[in-house]
Amino acid sequence: DAGVIQSPRHEVTEMGQEVTLRCKPISGHNSLFWYRQTMMRGLELLIYFNNNVPIDDSGMPEDRFSAKMPNASFSTLKIQPSEPRDSAVYFCASSLGTSVLREQYFGPGTRLTVT
Amino acid sequence: SQQGEEDPQALSIQEGENATMNCSYKTSINNLQWYRQNSGRGLVHLILIRSNEREKHSGRLRVTLDTSKKSSSLLITASRAADTASYFCAPRAGGTSYGKLTFGQGTILTVHP
Repeated sequence: DAGVIQSPRHEVTEMGQEVTLRCKPISGHNSLFWYRQTMMRGLELLIYFNNNVPIDDSGMPEDRFSAKMPNASFSTLKIQPSEPRDSAVYFCASSLGTSVLREQYFGPGTRLTVT
Repeated sequence: SQQGEEDPQALSIQEGENATMNCSYKTSINNLQWYRQNSGRGLVHLILIRSNEREKHSGRLRVTLDTSKKSSSLLITASRAADTASYFCAPRAGGTSYGKLTFGQGTILTVHP
């Protein structure tokens, strides 16, 4: 298995531009998580899906952020308009099932720089 | 939400030495998981210990859990330079949390060759 795939791996954009991050979870996994990691705030859970349905988006910083999961093999995290404070590494993770015993598998992350 | 706090924030040791990191949490748990993050990479699951277990081993890793003190420790024996990474604990409550994990700031481990 290829693991969780994220694209792009690096993104540099100017303030005000729209940014779309993409994630392909491990085949068969039905839970998907988006995290953001910064030095100041550490690793924050933004939103997670179960069976393509958003379960908890309380971690999404503001309305500029939106996430979708149109099918079991693809999810996007969009920032519009982007701001310099959005600069961070964004991770996608997936897991199989909802059991509390399940581990999460993380992608390599997308390093976003907003200038 | 359930979140662990790792201690110390940073740990620097020589290759071959043992490294011990601690995790404290606040509410009752179903299990506790440890993850490792190498620089610039995503987190990797290391080990899971259930609330009814006191100790668990996996290779050079030894995890203990004391539910009465709401704490866990991760011991890496005979450390190697490749163990240099950040280590995170993730306490898991029961119920329908849909697999949600909340991470602390982690312990940064540096192993000098």
